[in-house]
Amino acid sequence: DTEVTQTPKHLVMGMTNKKSLKCEQHMGHRAMYWYKQKAKKPPELMFVYSYEKLSINESVPSRFSPECPNSSLLNLHLHALQPEDSALYLCASSQDLNYYEQYFGPGTRLTVT
Amino acid sequence: GIQVEQSPPDLILQEGANSTLRCNFSDSVNNLQWFHQNPWGQLINLFYIPSGTKQNGRLSATTVATERYSLLYISSSQTTDSGVYFCAVVRSGSEKLVFGKGTKLTVNP
Repeated sequence: DTEVTQTPKHLVMGMTNKKSLKCEQHMGHRAMYWYKQKAKKPPELMFVYSYEKLSINESVPSRFSPECPNSSLLNLHLHALQPEDSALYLCASSQDLNYYEQYFGPGTRLTVT
Repeated sequence: GIQVEQSPPDLILQEGANSTLRCNFSDSVNNLQWFHQNPWGQLINLFYIPSGTKQNGRLSATTVATERYSLLYISSSQTTDSGVYFCAVVRSGSEKLVFGKGTKLTVNP
């Protein structure tokens, strides 16, 4: 099974709200990723976790806060977002870093009002 | 950082036609993947192909790592093949998957 699940599918939030995006995989993968995709653009890397530790932060604003509570779960906590943060947020996982195929979840479509 | 260029940016085909999509990259890579993004945003893995040739049904891919390019072939296209095709690479020594801008394919009935 090569499935990565994400919840919720859609999220509408105000600029003062706090919300969280969730990602889960049961493939035994040790690397997990968050990407952001704006309309008509390719996905862009935000964060990488390897063995539950943050490996890469692509200079993402602090209003986005990632968390990896265990090897199967990845969260993205959102606070005080701006309308320009509206995008598709994609989670991915791979067996390990570098040489391994990444598998993507279906994404959360976020709208900030 | 590594540059990933895909061509053509847009492609319109009649059902049943064949097509070739190209991905050029500017540095040596550990990982190269082709994805199909459907209209709902799901990225579907087509091939993991840092080198060599692979086939899966009507789709096949070839990566010539020494010349820094990869090709995706779609034969007998169907309307369900419509969507955006992305090439993505990890440069040797890096941990980041970098995407090209994609090729938007439209297959008309």
